[in-house]
Amino acid sequence: EVQVVESGGGLVQPGGSLRLSCAASGFTFSDHYMDWVRQAPGKGLEWVGRTRNRVNGYTTEYAASVKGRFTISRDDSKNSLYLQMNSLKTEDTAVYYCARVAAATLSRHYMDVWGKGTTVTVSS
Amino acid sequence: DIQLTQSPSFLSASVGDTVTITCRASQGVSSYLAWYQQKPGTAPKVLIYAASILESGVPSRFSGSGSGTEFTLTISSLQPEDFATYYCQRLNTYPLTFGGGTKVEIK
Repeated sequence: EVQVVESGGGLVQPGGSLRLSCAASGFTFSDHYMDWVRQAPGKGLEWVGRTRNRVNGYTTEYAASVKGRFTISRDDSKNSLYLQMNSLKTEDTAVYYCARVAAATLSRHYMDVWGKGTTVTVSS
Repeated sequence: DIQLTQSPSFLSASVGDTVTITCRASQGVSSYLAWYQQKPGTAPKVLIYAASILESGVPSRFSGSGSGTEFTLTISSLQPEDFATYYCQRLNTYPLTFGGGTKVEIK
């Protein structure tokens, strides 16, 4: 079964750090770009960032709201994706989803496999 | 950044109705647009990509159209399981953005 499973969420104080993980299975992880998307309580979806695959140099892209504070990385040997979140703010409180990008061609840059999400709460 | 505006933000409809949701981009995005469905407490699910291509396994009552700056998602013969929130997302340049969402509720 193709799936991704997030972990690592929790309660953290403003200014703190947290590292989320996403374990992939059932597909060739190394072939795919991978994304993080978040959803604040009662709000819409917000794209957080993307890591490309090895063929495309593992380069990353970020939303302006997290650039410089969040870092996306991956370990293809472990079929895992990570989101290192530093200098956390209360507005980073959200459910964080890991998602697979369907394919590297631009017309298929949508997210076709999603995890169930992990909840991050930033509060004092 | 290119913004996406969905309308309406909320609509009330009955089973069997045909509903249309619009997504407008502040600049042209060609056909690099996807539609997702999200039910409460669950992750989004892709319905349409490249503006009009139905994702495998998605019922044919869902259809998408448009290019450039105006796109539509149409649900023909609304079913009970279609009551959910729908989001468009543009995919052409970074940062990627989602529309604000359209909640479809039972009348």
